[in-house]
Amino acid sequence: QLHLQESGPGPVKPSETLSLTCAVSGGSISSSSYHWGWIRQPPGKGLEWIGSLYYSGTTYFNPSLKSRVAMSLDTSKNQFSLKLTSLTAADTAVYYCAGGWGWSASDFWGRGALVTVSS
Amino acid sequence: EIVLTQSPLSSLVTLGQPASISCRSGQTLVHSGGNAYLSWLQQRPGQPPRLLIYKTSNRFSGVPDRFSGSGAGTDFTLKISRVEPEDVGVYYCMQVTQSPVTFGGGTKVEIK
Repeated sequence: QLHLQESGPGPVKPSETLSLTCAVSGGSISSSSYHWGWIRQPPGKGLEWIGSLYYSGTTYFNPSLKSRVAMSLDTSKNQFSLKLTSLTAADTAVYYCAGGWGWSASDFWGRGALVTVSS
Repeated sequence: EIVLTQSPLSSLVTLGQPASISCRSGQTLVHSGGNAYLSWLQQRPGQPPRLLIYKTSNRFSGVPDRFSGSGAGTDFTLKISRVEPEDVGVYYCMQVTQSPVTFGGGTKVEIK
């Protein structure tokens, strides 16, 4: 069973870049068994899939965010990361990291990290 | 992208009674391999989402057997055979047949 834990900056300013990391236990991020991904949820609203990443470097991104998103793996720390550029208030959300056996990476979820974009 | 529409928006259920949630897709969710990659998630108040059902009807590890999924093509259903207090929350359908992953708008289940 995978366990995931997000860590991030909390409040960020408009136009800045968001950086989040997700620490993984119970499995190796360099394993061919798993994909790793991010999903977000604005306060009081529904879920939006951001994208996923495979150990080989294969990525899947939501077209609505693709131009602003980057994901990477850090095998030395068994964690993976999300960068989201050019932030606006609309990016305020709880950001969940997740992992799983399929490309959607949605079987196991972290507890989430609230990111507030405000000047 | 594939649009998922859930109904009802909310459901008030008596403890021990069944509940049913519908998810309709704007296009077929049947993959070329023959499976429909429709999942159901549960989000209890203040908690992250949790996978309940995958590939239409398969219960994820640790999910009680009072939860069941069914459907085909564009119409899918999540059923709770006897609602328990811990079932309160919002339920989302999710399709992983085609990128990007998309979610239904959610159905809130409350106890009468």
